[in-house]
Amino acid sequence: DSGVTQTPKHLITATGQRVTLRCSPRSGDLSVYWYQQSLDQGLQFLIQYYNGEERAKGNILERFSAQQFPDLHSELNLSSLELGDSALYFCASSVSTGGGASGGELFFGEGSRLTVL
Amino acid sequence: AQSVSQHNHHVILSEAASLELGCNYSYGGTVNLFWYVQYPGQHLQLLLKYFSGDPLVKGIKGFEAEFIKSKFSFNLRKPSVQWSDTAEYFCAVISDYNAGNNRKLIWGLGTSLAVNP
Repeated sequence: DSGVTQTPKHLITATGQRVTLRCSPRSGDLSVYWYQQSLDQGLQFLIQYYNGEERAKGNILERFSAQQFPDLHSELNLSSLELGDSALYFCASSVSTGGGASGGELFFGEGSRLTVL
Repeated sequence: AQSVSQHNHHVILSEAASLELGCNYSYGGTVNLFWYVQYPGQHLQLLLKYFSGDPLVKGIKGFEAEFIKSKFSFNLRKPSVQWSDTAEYFCAVISDYNAGNNRKLIWGLGTSLAVNP
């Protein structure tokens, strides 16, 4: 158990819909990262938050957004869903922004598997 | 831009065979290097990491990796694989290429390892 909690574990929805994925980081971790993993594109970094602020952006579509709340949990919002958005979405957390004592070590949740029909 | 290359996308081995998975990165400065593993149906977890010191790093489950600075490489090895090593393996690098809060992990695309019993 990594200490990172993601809900829901599985989600099936239709094209055009909107879903919200939730992540609770490990206790004490200030950074939250979102990743998308699909068969054809591998592990793609989407976005990172640190202590409530957006810190880094990766290959995140404009239809997707995220935020980190004062209690440090994070939500990833996916809207106008398309078939190609079907993937496993991972959340990870770390103590720092990527430098610092953790040196970049991330702790991953078990993922939310999104299926868009 | 920084990049991480994993040369083998799919590797198939028989039990007891030796394993070496290649990982090369593009930046020559100070780096922290990681191998993560994702067993079927599970989240990513840290296999081993290199921050400094002895370039030969030992991780969990008999894995080791050697940091060769002159070759920009951090190859993963295991002398004798088991069926339970079937998983996807990701190499990741964080460097001082981007300073301070802009440091972020750069991921390879992953190598899928299948070990036949």
